[in-house]
Amino acid sequence: DIQMTQSPSTLSASVGDRVTITCRASQSISDWLAWYQQKPGKAPMLLISKSSSLESGVPSRFSGSGSGTEFTLTISSLQPDDFATYYCQQYNSLIDFGQGTRLEI
Amino acid sequence: QLQLQESGPGLVKPSETLSLTCTVSGGSISSRSYYWGLVRQPPGKGLEWIGSIYYSGKTYFNPSLESRVTISMDASKNQLSLQLKSVTAADTAVYYCARHSYGSGSYYFDYWGQGTLVTVSS
Repeated sequence: DIQMTQSPSTLSASVGDRVTITCRASQSISDWLAWYQQKPGKAPMLLISKSSSLESGVPSRFSGSGSGTEFTLTISSLQPDDFATYYCQQYNSLIDFGQGTRLEI
Repeated sequence: QLQLQESGPGLVKPSETLSLTCTVSGGSISSRSYYWGLVRQPPGKGLEWIGSIYYSGKTYFNPSLESRVTISMDASKNQLSLQLKSVTAADTAVYYCARHSYGSGSYYFDYWGQGTLVTVSS
């Protein structure tokens, strides 16, 4: 399987901050990468597919980039609703998730 | 509006088989456009893909779980089912069913159920 490593594991930030979460794959996955947001007690919600394609209804402050083995999720100006845990997922070869990044106030 | 609803036993004894069902409403699991998958999340930990099934019965599994997992579907009930054999405490998790599209470059999950907690304990 492909190892997906997210950094940092925990990120402390404030409303209005610009934050970036990194996801690294153990081998090239082209741009077959998705990002999810999960809030406590809830199912994950798809934010971005194919590395940078924003899902319908997701605010434009979220953006994704990268290809090959290194990817980023950026939130341009943090809103109170954005404090959650974020996961990357590769789907180049079967399916693997990163370990998650907890974004806290 | 597509909805997925998991139902499970809540508590399973070690070494037994965990069985849970996901009922799909607002869409057909017989659609040629989608796979139906299962993902789990141990308490306080990350997400782990278990496997996915297509309407034809074709399945893909996480290699780390493949030897213990069976996923099946019942089109007449619009349900998919998971069986996980020989469970241990490490299998304690919230189990989600989720949908991803069929076809290369489409294996990301766009709809999720609310999840059901299954605890393995004697």
